[in-house]
Amino acid sequence: DIVMTQSPDSLAVSLGERATINCKSSQSVLYNSNNENYLSWYQQKPGQPPRLLIYWASTRESGVPDRFSGSGSGTDFTLTISSLQAEDVAVYYCQQYYTIPLTFGQGTKVEIK
Amino acid sequence: EVQLVESGGGLVQPGGSLRLSCAASGFTFSTYWMHWVRQVPGKGLVWVSRISTDGSSTSYADSVKGRFTISRDNAKNTLYLQMNSLRAEDTAIYYCAITTGSWGQGTLVTVSS
Repeated sequence: DIVMTQSPDSLAVSLGERATINCKSSQSVLYNSNNENYLSWYQQKPGQPPRLLIYWASTRESGVPDRFSGSGSGTDFTLTISSLQAEDVAVYYCQQYYTIPLTFGQGTKVEIK
Repeated sequence: EVQLVESGGGLVQPGGSLRLSCAASGFTFSTYWMHWVRQVPGKGLVWVSRISTDGSSTSYADSVKGRFTISRDNAKNTLYLQMNSLRAEDTAIYYCAITTGSWGQGTLVTVSS
């Protein structure tokens, strides 16, 4: 199984400041035939299901604010919130869909400082 | 608008069975691979099972293999998860989800005597 490891486990950021979450996979999730990274990012607020933010490592889902961006390739990925808003308080998960079983990172809790 | 609505959760004794359903609307259900993912409240996300568009290909997490069966009825736009020989550790919120797409609100399964 591909192990997904996120860092940090939690972070507190001031409103308007940048938040950065890292995700590392135990093996590459880059599929050479189409040069796509099979990596997505989800946001989960309390009492709600996960919401897809980013897929193919850097493609923003429709309706997701452009302050959310994804980057990285191979085994190292980053989710950046460029200017943290109050409504961004949530747990964020990375997920690989390169192979079965799909696996998720342990989650990163983002709070307001 | 894409909608996934799970049902069928509840309280069941260890060793018992439940059948979860996921009613899909707002998209062409028959053209999407579908998944079940579970989450113990307050904990992380764990992939359970996947099914191909026509139901001919299925995959399971090792923890549920031989006990759970995923299926779909494309005529009814509905995804199912038959859960047998339930254990206390199967207690979780069960979500149906589209690969890199929308998730339902989830249905809570509690296995307890």
